[in-house]
Amino acid sequence: DSGVTQTPKHLITATGQRVTLRCSPRSGDLSVYWYQQSLDQGLQFLIQYYNGEERAKGNILERFSAQQFPDLHSELNLSSLELGDSALYFCASSAGTASHEQYFGPGTRLTVT
Amino acid sequence: GQSLEQPSEVTAVEGAIVQINCTYQTSGFYGLSWYQQHDGGAPTFLSYNALDGLEETGRFSSFLSRSDSYGYLLLQELQMKDSASYFCAAFPYGGATNKLIFGTGTLLAVQP
Repeated sequence: DSGVTQTPKHLITATGQRVTLRCSPRSGDLSVYWYQQSLDQGLQFLIQYYNGEERAKGNILERFSAQQFPDLHSELNLSSLELGDSALYFCASSAGTASHEQYFGPGTRLTVT
Repeated sequence: GQSLEQPSEVTAVEGAIVQINCTYQTSGFYGLSWYQQHDGGAPTFLSYNALDGLEETGRFSSFLSRSDSYGYLLLQELQMKDSASYFCAAFPYGGATNKLIFGTGTLLAVQP
């Protein structure tokens, strides 16, 4: 158990809908990272927050957004969902702002039908 | 572009030694990390090489050579539980240093 929690574990929704994925980092960690893992794309970095501020952006679609709250939990919002958004979404955390050692949550498996 | 290439699959027998390679196409990066991921599970950090050379952590060792644009993960005394996917990862120069790029991943199958 990494100490990072994610909810929900599974999510099934229809195209065009909007969902919110939630992540709580390990106690004391200030950085939260979001990743998407699909079969044909591997692990893709989406976005990173550090202590409430956005620090880095990867190949995150404009339909996706995220934020980190004062209690350091983070939410990833996915809107206008498409079939291709079906994937595993992982949250990771670290103490510092750019850590090679990240602790991953169990992931949310999103299925868009 | 920035990419880390790995063999897609490797098969080995219990008790053997296996090496998983990672070659990079980026112009350079800040160290090389390795993660293990069991099917459908969360990636787990294994090791990190900040500098060239060998780092040993129990049965696992990791090696980095910047001049050869190459690194590898060495797994010794293989056990069935080592069957998993292994990813190298790095922060590339020239971009946001917080953007960790993962390799294509290697699926290791350990056979009895």
